[in-house]
Amino acid sequence: DAGITQSPRHKVTETGTPVTLRCHQTENHRYMYWYRQDPGHGLRLIHYSYGVKDTDKGEVSDGYSVSRSKTEDFLLTLESATSSQTSVYFCAIRAQGQGETQYFGPGTRLLVL
Amino acid sequence: DQQVKQNSPSLSVQEGRISILNCDYTNSMFDYFLWYKKYPAEGPTFLISISSIKDKNEDGRFTVFLNKSAKHLSLHIVPSQPGDSAVYFCAARRETGNQFYFGTGTSLTVIP
Repeated sequence: DAGITQSPRHKVTETGTPVTLRCHQTENHRYMYWYRQDPGHGLRLIHYSYGVKDTDKGEVSDGYSVSRSKTEDFLLTLESATSSQTSVYFCAIRAQGQGETQYFGPGTRLLVL
Repeated sequence: DQQVKQNSPSLSVQEGRISILNCDYTNSMFDYFLWYKKYPAEGPTFLISISSIKDKNEDGRFTVFLNKSAKHLSLHIVPSQPGDSAVYFCAARRETGNQFYFGTGTSLTVIP
């Protein structure tokens, strides 16, 4: 258990509304990641962070923004949700010094109507 | 372009037999490889990893084999148990990179 929580765990929203997902970690890891999981696509990286206020894009970053104002929190925002953003979103941390393994949170299931 | 590929979407195995899950990659710069197991409605759980300096790593019933020349890795589960039924993802990373690249997953069903 890498001390990762995600909130909310489930959310239903309407097209065009803003949505923010939160990832919280308790172990002071430098690297945090947001992925989405969709059938036939596996896990795809949206954005990641390598420190407070330091973020970079992944392969599916369009339509998403992130912020990291504190080490423990990494926020993912959908500025104007679309149905194509219906997915399961996973946050992960990278445990440096332990083979650089990633550990995942429990996920947020988002439905955009 | 998918840099890590799992070409078998599903696999069924009898309880007690060996399960072999395969993964191929295209980027020769990858030097660290991982396997994750995922149950429905849960996050992926780290299973086992291997560095490119090795060709085998074993942890209990789980063994990962790496063939760098073929850009191929496999996960062996012996003996398979019904609780092993899950989706398995392989992933890869470059030593100097921050990103992990995942395959599309293989759904393993172990039949009692």
